[in-house]
Amino acid sequence: AQSVTQLDSQVPVFEEAPVELRCNYSSSVSVYLFWYVQYPNQGLQLLLKYLSGSTLVESINGFEAEFNKSQTSFHLRKPSVHISDTAEYFCAVIISYNTDKLIFGTGTRLQVFP
Amino acid sequence: DTEVTQTPKHLVMGMTNKKSLKCEQHMGHRAMYWYKQKAKKPPELMFVYSYEKLSINESVPSRFSPECPNSSLLNLHLHALQPEDSALYLCASSQGSGAPTYEQYFGPGTRLTVT
Repeated sequence: AQSVTQLDSQVPVFEEAPVELRCNYSSSVSVYLFWYVQYPNQGLQLLLKYLSGSTLVESINGFEAEFNKSQTSFHLRKPSVHISDTAEYFCAVIISYNTDKLIFGTGTRLQVFP
Repeated sequence: DTEVTQTPKHLVMGMTNKKSLKCEQHMGHRAMYWYKQKAKKPPELMFVYSYEKLSINESVPSRFSPECPNSSLLNLHLHALQPEDSALYLCASSQGSGAPTYEQYFGPGTRLTVT
C-alpha cells in the first residue's frame, strides 16, 4: 500500500532561522509528489510539486524541496522563515495509476516565533 | 478568478436533519472533489466528479450523497449523519482529471458539527 509519512507533527522555530520539514513515502510504483500549505481556517494551497525532471523544485515564496528516489523522500526546506509561514504543511503523493487521488501525510505544524 | 467557494462556512445539524453543502467554481474546471478533514488529521478523498460524472467513490457511507448539477457546481447532500461525521469538508476542483499535472484548487471548507 502507498503511504506518506511526516515524522514531525510540530516544528517550532525562530524567525529567520532555517527549517526542514520531513516527508517520506512508500510506494512500489511511480509517484508524483506535492507539498500543500493550510493557513488557519483556510483551504489547502499548493506550495510546490515534483512531477519529473529536475529533482529540486522551488516555490515563489522561498521554499524548496528535493526528490530523493533512493531515500524515498521529499523534504521541504526554507533557509529563513517568517512569522507568516506559520501554518500546517501537508506532503502528498499521487500514484501513477490513480492520478485523481491525492494521498496526504499527517501534516506538520510549523510555528514560527519572533 | 482562481477561487473555489463553499457555503455555508459553518453548519450545525442534528442526526435526523437533511442538509446540503455547496461548492462552486468559475474557472472552467471539469473535475471536482470532496474531501473530509477531521481535526488535526489530513484530508481524505471522498468523491471525484469528472465531466459531471462520478468517477471515484472512496467507499463513503450512503448518508453522504454527492451531486454535480453542472460543471461549475458540486453539492454534498447529508442525511442521518452521526456525530463522528463532524469534520471540515473541503471541495476542490482541477482543470481536468487523469493526470498529475492537473493542480487541485481547494475551497476554504465547511465546518460541520453533528449533534
